[in-house]
Amino acid sequence: AQSVTQLGSHVSVSEGALVLLRCNYSSSVPPYLFWYVQYPNQGLQLLLKYTTGATLVKGINGFEAEFKKSETSFHLTKPSAHMSDAAEYFCALNTGGFKTIFGAGTRLFVKA
Amino acid sequence: DTAVSQTPKYLVTQMGNDKSIKCEQNLGHDTMYWYKQDSKKFLKIMFSYNNKELIINETVPNRFSPKSPDKAHLNLHINSLELGDSAVYFCASSTPGQSETQYFGPGTRLLVL
Repeated sequence: AQSVTQLGSHVSVSEGALVLLRCNYSSSVPPYLFWYVQYPNQGLQLLLKYTTGATLVKGINGFEAEFKKSETSFHLTKPSAHMSDAAEYFCALNTGGFKTIFGAGTRLFVKA
Repeated sequence: DTAVSQTPKYLVTQMGNDKSIKCEQNLGHDTMYWYKQDSKKFLKIMFSYNNKELIINETVPNRFSPKSPDKAHLNLHINSLELGDSAVYFCASSTPGQSETQYFGPGTRLLVL
């Protein structure tokens, strides 16, 4: 069975600091992996996704994630946090079917 | 242009009432979904339709009934509302075979009193 685990329900960083949000997955077949962001009172929107090929994926707003098969991880990073990055972040997995499995979410706080 | 839209945005109602939420997408996608997001932000899939056919029906009380009149619309009707139904309901759409990226609506915030 597939699953997604996000480590840390809350992460707090200072403005300008590195952002690291952790995601581990379990899948018996090669997965598609996603990071979605949800700003307050809005729907989810895609930040980036990994399908095949290059394991370092760049997304919008300066975010990137690296697919590491050996570690079954897909951590999200951004070199320098901005106040506008404060939001809920969801890691998600799909194996080519209709069902996408979402992690529990990580709330990112950015301190001035 | 709104890609996935939902109405209403807010819904406040009494226990026992029946209510509907509507969703429309103009992306030309084949598949639409309903998700429930609880107060802890956990996102749970409820239903999915592909070309108007029900393909995912998770363990959801039968008070919830989805209807897809055409590929662009997926509505959710809820009978006999209960306090535990209070949540944010998101509609989403995708086209399988295109890396399964999902496009979400803005959500409907349901509060049952």
